[in-house]
Amino acid sequence: NAGVMQNPRHLVRRRGQEARLRCSPMKGHSHVYWYRQLPEEGLKFMVYLQKENIIDESGMPKERFSAEFPKEGPSILRIQQVVRGDSAAYFCASSLLEADTQYFGPGTRLTVL
Amino acid sequence: KQEVTQIPAALSVPEGENLVLNCSFTDSAIYNLQWFRQDPGKGLTSLLLIQSSQREQTSGRLNASLDKSSGRSTLYIAASQPGDSATYLCAVTETSGSRLTFGEGTQLTVNP
Repeated sequence: NAGVMQNPRHLVRRRGQEARLRCSPMKGHSHVYWYRQLPEEGLKFMVYLQKENIIDESGMPKERFSAEFPKEGPSILRIQQVVRGDSAAYFCASSLLEADTQYFGPGTRLTVL
Repeated sequence: KQEVTQIPAALSVPEGENLVLNCSFTDSAIYNLQWFRQDPGKGLTSLLLIQSSQREQTSGRLNASLDKSSGRSTLYIAASQPGDSATYLCAVTETSGSRLTFGEGTQLTVNP
C-alpha cells in the first residue's frame, strides 16, 4: 500500500506568487489533515477535510490560504500571494476514520524568496 | 486551549540505555494520544496510539503509558540504538474534534 503522497517535495516561490501543495491520502482514507511546521517551531494544525467538505479550518489563516479535497483527485492547499513568513514545511495526513491514527506524508518544504 | 509540553527538549544517551520521554497536556478531555518520530527533513512516523480508555500500548522496544486524569504520558524506549536517534513528538486528539495538538518534541541522540 502506498503511503500518503505529497508533491512537490520542495517548492520555491517568489513573494507574491501562488503556491499549490498536493496531497494524495492513503488508499481508502477519506479524512485529510494539513499541518504546518514553521522553522524551529512545532507542528500546528491548519485544516481538516473530508471528501468535498471542510470540517474544521480553525487553524488556517483567514486570508490567502484555502484548501479543498474534491471528489476525485488529491487534496490541494493553496497559498496566494506568498510572503516570506509562509516559508515552512507543510505536512498532510490522512486517516481511515475520524479521530483515528493519522498517517503523515513526507511534507512539502516551501521556500519564499 | 489545549497545550502539550514535552520534557526534556533534548536528550543524549549512550547506546543500550533505557530511557523515558515525557509528555503532559493541559486538558484531559482527549480522545487519544499518539507518539510519532520525525527524522531530519522527513515526515512523521506514527509509533503508538493510545485510546483515552487505555493505560498503555506496546510495540517492540517501545512502551507508551497514559494517565489521562493527571494529563501525562510517557514513552519508554528499551535498549536504545543509534537508529533511534530522531525527534519524538507527542500529540493529542481532543474529544471536540479530530485535529492533533502537538508538543514541541524531544530530540533524542543515541551515541554508539
